[in-house]
Amino acid sequence: NAGVTQTPKFQVLKTGQSMTLQCAQDMNHNSMYWYRQDPGMGLRLIYYSASEGTTDKGEVPNGYNVSRLNKREFSLRLESAAPSQTSVYFCASSLPRENTEAFFGQGTRLTVV
Amino acid sequence: SQKIEQNSEALNIQEGKTATLTCNYTNYSPAYLQWYRQDPGRGPVFLLLIRENEKEKRKERLKVTFDTTLKQSLFHITASQPADSATYLCALRMDSSYKLIFGSGTRLLVRP
Repeated sequence: NAGVTQTPKFQVLKTGQSMTLQCAQDMNHNSMYWYRQDPGMGLRLIYYSASEGTTDKGEVPNGYNVSRLNKREFSLRLESAAPSQTSVYFCASSLPRENTEAFFGQGTRLTVV
Repeated sequence: SQKIEQNSEALNIQEGKTATLTCNYTNYSPAYLQWYRQDPGRGPVFLLLIRENEKEKRKERLKVTFDTTLKQSLFHITASQPADSATYLCALRMDSSYKLIFGSGTRLLVRP
């Protein structure tokens, strides 16, 4: 049971470089999310996708783009990385109902130097 | 905008005691509120969900209350154990978009 799989687990980027964080889920969930977690800040929603082909901004979308490639995959792209984007990134998925929980990946630890 | 507040100070208690964590929210009236556990280096894991018309919900040693008048949820762990040491986050869905928003979490440390 893979659940939600994120790649890579660790990444170091230089300022200005670009990269894409990958996320895939095998639970047939419609809703997918990208969060970042910084010390003392909890989880902050970057982008949300209610279904394939739709995306919506969350609390902190600036500096990021997303792509919902299909029902399984939701990628997060940093076009020009900045040190302020150093964080742990989590992908999650859920059914599109209020009374359901989210399932999380193991996270990607990104450092921008 | 929606704001969810949890006590940022760590809660340090003795094994066997009851831990009580607080979650307060503003500017929204969610139909459901959720609690998650997060261990260091891991993603959050769902624990409990409570509906607005449920005053209390229990699961083994866990109990959650939901007071929609106070806009507050309390999370209790009875007979706490060192293995309960973790960060606990509350979450709710804002509006009809179903975006899931989290509080900053409270770290619980249970001393043997």
